[in-house]
Parts: sequence; C-alpha cells; structure tokens
Amino acid sequence: QLQLQESGPGLVKPSETLSLTCTVSGDSVSSSLYYWGWVRQPPGKGLEWIGNIFYTGSTYSNPSLKSRVAISVDTSKNQFSLKLTSVTAADTAVYFCARHILTGSYNYYYYIDVWGRGTTVTVSS
Amino acid sequence: QSALTQPASVSGSPGQSITISCTGTSLDVGGYTFVSWYQQHPAKAPKLVIYEVSYRPSGVSNRFSGSKSGNTASLTISGLQAEDEADYYCSSYTSSSTLVFGGGTKVTVL
Repeated sequence: QLQLQESGPGLVKPSETLSLTCTVSGDSVSSSLYYWGWVRQPPGKGLEWIGNIFYTGSTYSNPSLKSRVAISVDTSKNQFSLKLTSVTAADTAVYFCARHILTGSYNYYYYIDVWGRGTTVTVSS
Repeated sequence: QSALTQPASVSGSPGQSITISCTGTSLDVGGYTFVSWYQQHPAKAPKLVIYEVSYRPSGVSNRFSGSKSGNTASLTISGLQAEDEADYYCSSYTSSSTLVFGGGTKVTVL
C-alpha cells in the first residue's frame, strides 16, 4: 500500500531555510510513471502547488516561489526533499508531499493522485 | 500563475444535487483535459475524487461527476449526503507545465 510520510522541523526561524523530506513506501521514486512534489496550505486558506521532481532530476516549480524553492530526490533512500529559503511568517502552513501521476500523450502531463498526511511548519522567532 | 476561481461556498439539502464551478483561462482549464477535483475534510489530506475532467478513481462514489466547457470546469455531487460536507478544490495542468489550484469551495449539507 502506497504511503507518503513528511518529516522535518515543525518550527523554523524567519530568514532561515525550511527543509522537509518525504519518505515513500509501497512505490519507487525511480518510477518513470510519476513526478513527486509538494503542496502547502496556510492556516484557514486554500492549497498552493509548490513544485515537483522526476527521478532524473527534472523539476517544475510555482513561478511565485521558484527563486526560493529547491526540490531534490534521493533514489537510494526512496525519498524526495523540499528546501524553501528565506522564510517569513507567510510560509507558515501545512506542507503535503504528493505523487503526481503522468498521463496523456507521451505521458507528458500530470495531476496529483496520492497525498501524504501533511506536516505543520510554523515560521516564528 | 493565478489561482482558478471557485465559489467560496455552496450548500444543499440531503438528496439534492449541487454543482461547483472552476474558472480558469485558455492557458490552464480551457487548454487541457487535465482538470482534477479534490475533497478535503477538516484536518485531513485532500482526496482525489475526479481526474481528467470526468473520470472517477476506483472507490469514489458515482454520485460525483465532472465536466468542462471552455475555460470552466464543474463538479456535480448528486444525492447529497452528510459525509459530502467538506472543502473541494479544483486543479489544472498549465501551459507552463505546472499545476494550479482553485481557491476552494466549502460545501455545506443543510
């Protein structure tokens, strides 16, 4: 059974870097069928797509966050990670990792089909 | 990229049908058949209920259906039940190879 589990510090200081890891069980991050990525949800607000990564290292990111986001994959550990630099209180949110299934012509397009449970990150001094 | 536009709230009585709209542009909803819908109960992770405009994942009730016309996609819940009370989000693939979400719609069962 596929499971995605987020892990990382629940509290990050302003101006520092938020680092989260998603451990995948029941599937392989090396699969050519999926991208793996991140979505966040500020308290009481909607979902915001952050970005994703393919096992080859190819990435896509939300233009509004692109300058601060780095997503990486570790196939040996079956994990992928998120780093968000120069955080402020506006980055306080529940962060979800998510599997993006490839579909359409040549498996070029994707949507999210499986989500992790989410982890809360608070930015505060 | 701008968030897709959804109504903030929709309500209905048990047994009724409701429809949630999701409006984008030709660069996202209107340009692709890769619109999906997610149900989120409080303090839970979102759950996929519709993918590629109108397909239901295995295990999702056939009371959920999706459609699209132009730049607007829609989610219809028929035979509304108490368990359907939740937040619903649409999402679309975009011309920049990214994903964009709608602002979310709170569904209330009266």
